[in-house]
Amino acid sequence: DAGITQSPRHKVTETGTPVTLRCHQTENHRYMYWYRQDPGHGLRLIHYSYGVKDTDKGEVSDGYSVSRSKTEDFLLTLESATSSQTSVYFCAISTGGAVYGYTFGSGTRLTVV
Amino acid sequence: DQQVKQNSPSLSVQEGRISILNCDYTNSMFDYFLWYKKYPAEGPTFLISISSIKDKNEDGRFTVFLNKSAKHLSLHIVPSQPGDSAVYFCAAHGSSNTGKLIFGQGTTLQVKP
Repeated sequence: DAGITQSPRHKVTETGTPVTLRCHQTENHRYMYWYRQDPGHGLRLIHYSYGVKDTDKGEVSDGYSVSRSKTEDFLLTLESATSSQTSVYFCAISTGGAVYGYTFGSGTRLTVV
Repeated sequence: DQQVKQNSPSLSVQEGRISILNCDYTNSMFDYFLWYKKYPAEGPTFLISISSIKDKNEDGRFTVFLNKSAKHLSLHIVPSQPGDSAVYFCAAHGSSNTGKLIFGQGTTLQVKP
């Protein structure tokens, strides 16, 4: 988690409201990712970015959007939060090489009530 | 359909004994496999990786074995220590340069003193 921070760490929000989670890195890594962790599902990729303004969908992208206007920041937005989006969200950064994989942030615990 | 599977949700071993965590995959195009360790309220951290051209990689108490014909990998921890108690995720990297990892569901290891 050195060089990568997520904010907020915890959030409770109401169904139907928009929510934005922030990931900030100081490593100047090209690739950034958003995952969600749920019991029985492990870590599932929501969206990822391979450069400023370059993003693509992961396996569970419905209901989420992302933006990357600067190398260091990758924002995840829940357009209209639902209870099924209650989860722990992790951001990760990578140089793209496979040997060491990712460096993860500490996570954001989101509860949608 | 899950491309990376960890079929054992939990494992309990005695301190000093061997812990063996298993992982199966379906895509023969994966070129790297990684193991991550996750403590509660923290992000996953990289533990060890193995290239698809190798069948074994060792780092201290941790050894990963890869059996490509069976599409199976395992992580051996010898000797196990109480501090090893955590959730372990295996992950696979495809041959593209996006750095995307596909994770298994995770196995919770408890090492009893």
